[in-house]
Amino acid sequence: SQQGEEDPQALSIQEGENATMNCSYKTSINNLQWYRQNSGRGLVHLILIRSNEREKHSGRLRVTLDTSKKSSSLLITASRAADTASYFCATDRVSARQLTFGSGTQLTVLP
Amino acid sequence: GAVVSQHPSWVICKSGTSVKIECRSLDFQATTMFWYRQFPKQSLMLMATSNEGSKATYEQGVEKDKFLINHASLTLSTLTVTSAHPEDSSFYICSARESSGTGDTQYFGPGTRLTVL
Repeated sequence: SQQGEEDPQALSIQEGENATMNCSYKTSINNLQWYRQNSGRGLVHLILIRSNEREKHSGRLRVTLDTSKKSSSLLITASRAADTASYFCATDRVSARQLTFGSGTQLTVLP
Repeated sequence: GAVVSQHPSWVICKSGTSVKIECRSLDFQATTMFWYRQFPKQSLMLMATSNEGSKATYEQGVEKDKFLINHASLTLSTLTVTSAHPEDSSFYICSARESSGTGDTQYFGPGTRLTVL
């Protein structure tokens, strides 16, 4: 079963704008990871944030984690058309040694 | 990072036939591999956890007799969809876990698209 939900389900923005996606989860985690998936393709690992971290950056990506609210956000700055994809959060739960995926956000960046 | 391959990348079969999908960890040993299924416009759902040398652990609602998993070596796990039906058409993704001193990391294969006619 899925660990949690992501919102929005779909997001459409203009190139150059920032995109923010949110992920909520239900149980205690070791870490939370974000992945990208282009249509019909495999997963690309973007970034991992550990439970004792609050914020992490990687290039144009910024991830925050609030364990008290059991939520995370992924910010993509200065978006590009090539960022168009589905984005999934995945939690590495304390109670289970496998990743559990959120429902995903479909991001469309318009040129 | 580590590489996980899947073969085939896509397969079309007739209803009632069986299809085998291979998942290999190319540059590391994986005592644990995972099989996920993804329907169009949906998220990945864990089907089963495959442990080398022992029986797989299936998630609730996944038929173990229909989705046969074999993890015969530290670098290979196979998923066989037996007596496939059109509703089994989906994108199947495997993942292999690498354990190190700093913790576990899951690496994902590129997926296999199964279409059952």
